[in-house]
Amino acid sequence: AQSVSQHNHHVILSEAASLELGCNYSYGGTVNLFWYVQYPGQHLQLLLKYFSGDPLVKGIKGFEAEFIKSKFSFNLRKPSVQWSDTAEYFCAVNKADSSYKLIFGSGTRLLVRP
Amino acid sequence: DAGVTQSPTHLIKTRGQQVTLRCSPISGHKSVSWYQQVLGQGPQFIFQYYEKEERGRGNFPDRFSARQFPNYSSELNVNALLLGDSALYLCASSVGDIPNTEAFFGQGTRLTVV
Repeated sequence: AQSVSQHNHHVILSEAASLELGCNYSYGGTVNLFWYVQYPGQHLQLLLKYFSGDPLVKGIKGFEAEFIKSKFSFNLRKPSVQWSDTAEYFCAVNKADSSYKLIFGSGTRLLVRP
Repeated sequence: DAGVTQSPTHLIKTRGQQVTLRCSPISGHKSVSWYQQVLGQGPQFIFQYYEKEERGRGNFPDRFSARQFPNYSSELNVNALLLGDSALYLCASSVGDIPNTEAFFGQGTRLTVV
């Protein structure tokens, strides 16, 4: 069965620090990969997605993620975080050529201190 | 454009009762999915519907059922509520039976079972 692991459950950073959130998935086939963000009191929003092509994906608000197929990883990065990045971040995967059944990780709560 | 809308936003029910949650997808989206998000965990897939047909079901008991209407809106029903059903229930819509598309989430219905 597919599964997604997010290694960091809670991360605390100061503004301007660099961010990297880990995500590993287990699935032997071709996958689509996503990072969603949930700001306090708001709905899940898509940060970025990978379907195929360039494994370095750029998303909104300066976020990027790199798909490393050999490591089954899709880590999220941002060079310099802001207080407004305080949120919960979820990695998700589904089977390629499918729009169905997202499998989510358990999430990482990010607190950025001003 | 209106996003995915869910109603009600909050709900308190007693053990053993039944509940119906509602979801209206983004205009033009024909697929609706339901997810359960328990506190501290990522969303878990419950159902997906496309063109009024069930396309996928997660590992949930038969107490959970859903349907999709001709206007593509959807209802999630949960019978014989248990305390463990307390969660945020998320609805997501997507364009439909097209590979590699993203899901857009509503704000969710917070269900508390007492």
